[in-house]
Amino acid sequence: DTEVTQTPKHLVMGMTNKKSLKCEQHMGHRAMYWYKQKAKKPPELMFVYSYEKLSINESVPSRFSPECPNSSLLNLHLHALQPEDSALYLCASSQTVIMNTEAFFGQGTRLTVV
Amino acid sequence: DAKTTQPTSMDCAEGRAANLPCNHSTISGNEYVYWYRQIHSQGPQYIIHGLKNNETNEMASLIITEDRKSSTLILPHATLRDTAVYYCIVRVAKGGSEKLVFGKGTKLTVNP
Repeated sequence: DTEVTQTPKHLVMGMTNKKSLKCEQHMGHRAMYWYKQKAKKPPELMFVYSYEKLSINESVPSRFSPECPNSSLLNLHLHALQPEDSALYLCASSQTVIMNTEAFFGQGTRLTVV
Repeated sequence: DAKTTQPTSMDCAEGRAANLPCNHSTISGNEYVYWYRQIHSQGPQYIIHGLKNNETNEMASLIITEDRKSSTLILPHATLRDTAVYYCIVRVAKGGSEKLVFGKGTKLTVNP
């Protein structure tokens, strides 16, 4: 099983709402990632978790709050977002962050902020 | 972060080999080159990766120059389903961790 599952697939939220994106993998991977992708642009890294600890935060605004409750789950909590935060949010996982292995990506959550 | 440069777009005839170039002249000695592709609005799909030796798998071949400043992804017999954006990526070390830094990608169109 090389699947990374993201839910929901689509999300529409108002600027005052609080919502969460969920990512799950059962490959025993210990590194998990959040990327943001705007239309016609490449994915941009937001966060890296290694062994359930945040190891990289690419200066992401605090209205995005990641959480890794266990080795299989990665959440992204959203609060007070702006319309420009509308994008495809991608989750990925890899065996670890320092090994020569590939990362597997989920299909993403398409977020629209209204 | 090591950056990659790729052509914006390329065309290839179905059944022919597609050769996608990538420049990564600032790559460090221990940084790997990865290739992913992304079909419209789906998650990126891993293709292949390498450090300095040429690599081949069931999807593609990766040719890395001896000075490691550039590489070429080869899809030996392109099909219509290979139409996608292809990303050449350098895996960058940062603070004991590593990250995949995506370049702008090449939009490959395979024509019948």
